[in-house]
Amino acid sequence: GENVEQHPSTLSVQEGDSAVIKCTYSDSASNYFPWYKQELGKRPQLIIDIRSNVGEKKDQRIAVTLNKTAKHFSLHITETQPEDSAVYFCAAPWRGGSQGNLIFGKGTKLSVKP
Amino acid sequence: GAVVSQHPSWVICKSGTSVKIECRSLDFQATTMFWYRQFPKQSLMLMATSNEGSKATYEQGVEKDKFLINHASLTLSTLTVTSAHPEDSSFYICSARPLSSGSYNEQFFGPGTRLTVL
Repeated sequence: GENVEQHPSTLSVQEGDSAVIKCTYSDSASNYFPWYKQELGKRPQLIIDIRSNVGEKKDQRIAVTLNKTAKHFSLHITETQPEDSAVYFCAAPWRGGSQGNLIFGKGTKLSVKP
Repeated sequence: GAVVSQHPSWVICKSGTSVKIECRSLDFQATTMFWYRQFPKQSLMLMATSNEGSKATYEQGVEKDKFLINHASLTLSTLTVTSAHPEDSSFYICSARPLSSGSYNEQFFGPGTRLTVL
C-alpha cells in the first residue's frame, strides 16, 4: 500500500521568503497528489493538486512539482505572507485509489514571521 | 463549487449518549464520502469510507458497531457515535469525492465537528 512521508514537520520563514515542503510516496501507480492547508480548528482546504501526467503546476504564489521517477512531490510558496501560516498536508492515493482514498502526510506547521 | 457542510460544528454530550453528525455535499454529487478523526497536532486518520447505498468500509481498529455510518443519498452521509466516552472526544471531519473526479481521488472537506464527551 501507499506510504507518504512529509518533511519538515515545522518550518519558520521570514515574510517574503520562499517555503518548500517535500513529500515522498511509495506506490508508483499513484496518479494524483493534492496539498491541503489547515488553519487551527478549521477544515483542510485544497490549495493545489497535480496529476501524474504533468511535472509542475502553478497558481499565483503556489506551485507543486512532481518527480515520478524519484516518487516525490513538493509544495513551493513564494513571497510568503503571515496569512500563509498554517499546517500543510500532502496526500496520495491509497490502496490504488479504488475507493478514492487518500493517505495523508503528518503535516508541516509553517510559521511566517512578519 | 465543491462545498461540503457538516453539522453540528460542535457538540458536548454526557458519557453513554449517542451523537449524530451529518455531512452534506451542497453543490455536487459524491460517489464516496469519508470520515476522519483528527487529534490535536496530528494528521487526519481515516475511519471509514462510505458509498451511497452500500455498507461502509471501516479501517483497522475502528469499531463499526460504535461508529455507525449511513450514506442515504449521493449528497448525505451520517456518522453516529454510539455510547460515547471521553476517549471519543476529537475533531471529526468528513470529506466527499465528486462524481466528476473520474479516476482522480479529489476530496473536499467539511468544516469538522468538535465532539467533547464529559
